[in-house]
Amino acid sequence: SYELTQPPSVSVSPGQTARITCSGDALSKKYAYWYQQKSGQAPVLVIYEDTKRPSGIPERFSGSSSGTVATLTINGAQVEDEAGYYCYSTDSNDNHRLFGGGTKLTVL
Amino acid sequence: EVQLVESGGGLVKPGGSLKLSCAASGFTFSNYIMNWVRQAPGKGLEWVSSFSSGDAYIDYADSVKGRFTISRDHAKNSLYLQMNNLRAEDTALYYCVREKNPKDYYDFLTNKWRSNWSDLWGQGTPVTVSS
Repeated sequence: SYELTQPPSVSVSPGQTARITCSGDALSKKYAYWYQQKSGQAPVLVIYEDTKRPSGIPERFSGSSSGTVATLTINGAQVEDEAGYYCYSTDSNDNHRLFGGGTKLTVL
Repeated sequence: EVQLVESGGGLVKPGGSLKLSCAASGFTFSNYIMNWVRQAPGKGLEWVSSFSSGDAYIDYADSVKGRFTISRDHAKNSLYLQMNNLRAEDTALYYCVREKNPKDYYDFLTNKWRSNWSDLWGQGTPVTVSS
């Protein structure tokens, strides 16, 4: 079955650039979406259609995609960016919704 | 206020049943696809089920197919999830989620397909399956 693969954890110091990858065969044909989930809270969309940022999301969040890998980049990561990050897309065959396994970002 | 409020979670024994409810307010409920998404303790997000806006389709993750039933009541602006034959691995926080669909699914500029995506989440209701 189709999967989206993320690294379990990424760690950076405040002010550094954090990069979180998401790989999946269908990402060459389907857009990736990224959700941020802080501890005890519901997820929030931070990037849609690979590169677009919803209103209210800080400019330090950006997205890119090449081939079968989508990347979420946080330039100048802040302590408040510490959270779980999930990529999302849909299966090419049956359109089932699919989340990546999630990446725990630590900023300290 | 635009919001989703889940209820109905609790502790149930393996093999038991539970029905979750989600009350929607502040938007036209009938216009949206609605989903259930769950998150096991300390784990990632897992899509569970979807119910289309025009009642045209219902879909389930393989892990719950045949055991869970999604339904909606437009008059009550409510979404439901009937969960039968529950297993320990169904233990999770269950989120009610509103889905947004793009204007056009195919982007001719990039030759990529857009997906529906979740734009509103409830705070979740916890389900624990344990003897």
